[in-house]
Parts: sequence; C-alpha cells; structure tokens
Amino acid sequence: AQSVTQLGSHVSVSEGALVLLRCNYSSSVPPYLFWYVQYPNQGLQLLLKYTSAATLVKGINGFEAEFKKSETSFHLTKPSAHMSDAAEYFCAVSGPERGGSEKLVFGKGTKLTVNP
Amino acid sequence: DAGITQSPRHKVTETGTPVTLRCHQTENHRYMYWYRQDPGHGLRLIHYSYGVKDTDKGEVSDGYSVSRSKTEDFLLTLESATSSQTSVYFCAIRPRGPTSEQYFGPGTRLTVT
Repeated sequence: AQSVTQLGSHVSVSEGALVLLRCNYSSSVPPYLFWYVQYPNQGLQLLLKYTSAATLVKGINGFEAEFKKSETSFHLTKPSAHMSDAAEYFCAVSGPERGGSEKLVFGKGTKLTVNP
Repeated sequence: DAGITQSPRHKVTETGTPVTLRCHQTENHRYMYWYRQDPGHGLRLIHYSYGVKDTDKGEVSDGYSVSRSKTEDFLLTLESATSSQTSVYFCAIRPRGPTSEQYFGPGTRLTVT
C-alpha cells in the first residue's frame, strides 16, 4: 500500500529565501509522485510529477523536486520564495487500482507562509 | 482549465437530510474521483469510477454512495447527512495512462448543521 508523509504542517520563509518542503513516500511498486498546490478557496493545481523519466523534475512557477529512491523522498524546492507562493502544498503517490484508475494517496499538506 | 465543474459550490443542510453533489466534465475522461478535504487530513478518497456504471470504494466511503450513468457526470450522495460529513468535497478527473495526473474541480463546501 502507498503512503505519504509530509514533514512540517507549516513552513515559514522570508521572501527571497529558499523554499524546501519535505515529502517521504512508501510504495510497494515503482511510484509515480506528484506535488500539487492549493491557493485559498481553490482546487488543487499540479506543480510537477515524477514518472521515472528523470530524477530531477522541473515544474511550474520555478519549483522543482528530486526523486531519491534510496531515501524514499521527493522534496520540493524553489531557490527564491515569492509572496505569491503562499499556499498549501500536497505531495501524493499513485498506485494501481481496479480498472486502471490509479488512485492518489495524499500527504496531509504543508502550509507555506512567505514573510516580506 | 480542465473542464470540470461542481455543483452546488456551497450548501448548508440539516442532519438527516439527503444531499447530492454533482461533478460534470467536458473532457470525456474515463476516470473520475470524489475526495473530501479536512484540516489536518489532506485529501481522502471517497469513491472513484473507472467507467460508466463502474465504481468502487475509497478510503472513507461509509455514509456515501455514487452513481455514474454517463461519462460526463459523477454524482456523490449522502443518504442521511451527519455533522461529521461537513467538509470540502473535490471531484477529479484523469485521462488514460498510469502516469497521467488528476485534474481537480473547484470544490463544494458542505455544512451539515
């Protein structure tokens, strides 16, 4: 069974500082991994995904994540935080289900605050 | 915009009443999902569908039922709403292929009083 652990339910950084959001996963099969972002009162938007093509994955808005199999991690980073990055971020792992549906298992989320 | 709408967007209902939430897609995707989002729990899967009339239970399916009579609509029903079902409900769709991501609707905020 798949599971995801996001370390830190709240992370606070200064504008211009490095953003690092941590995600560790557990999966019995080679995983597909995703990071989603949720702005207040909105649905989830895909930031990036890992599908085994490359271990360093670049996403939208300057975010990237590195898949490390030995550490079972998929941490999200951005070199320089912007005020508009303030949101909640979710890591997710997918696994096969009936009919090829590939359900997602989400972490509990990390709320990012960016201070001026 | 992934072509997903949810209705209603907000609803307040009383304990014991039935409630149906609708998810509508214009993408003709095979796979559809219902999640609930609660503080400290992230998103949890309620039910999913892998085709018309093909549905299955997710992690938190007790108290919920679903139906999918046509590709574009996936309905979530609370037969007798309880206060523990106060939540934000998200629908998602996914194209074919194991590496495809899910696209999420805008959500429905349900309050059961």
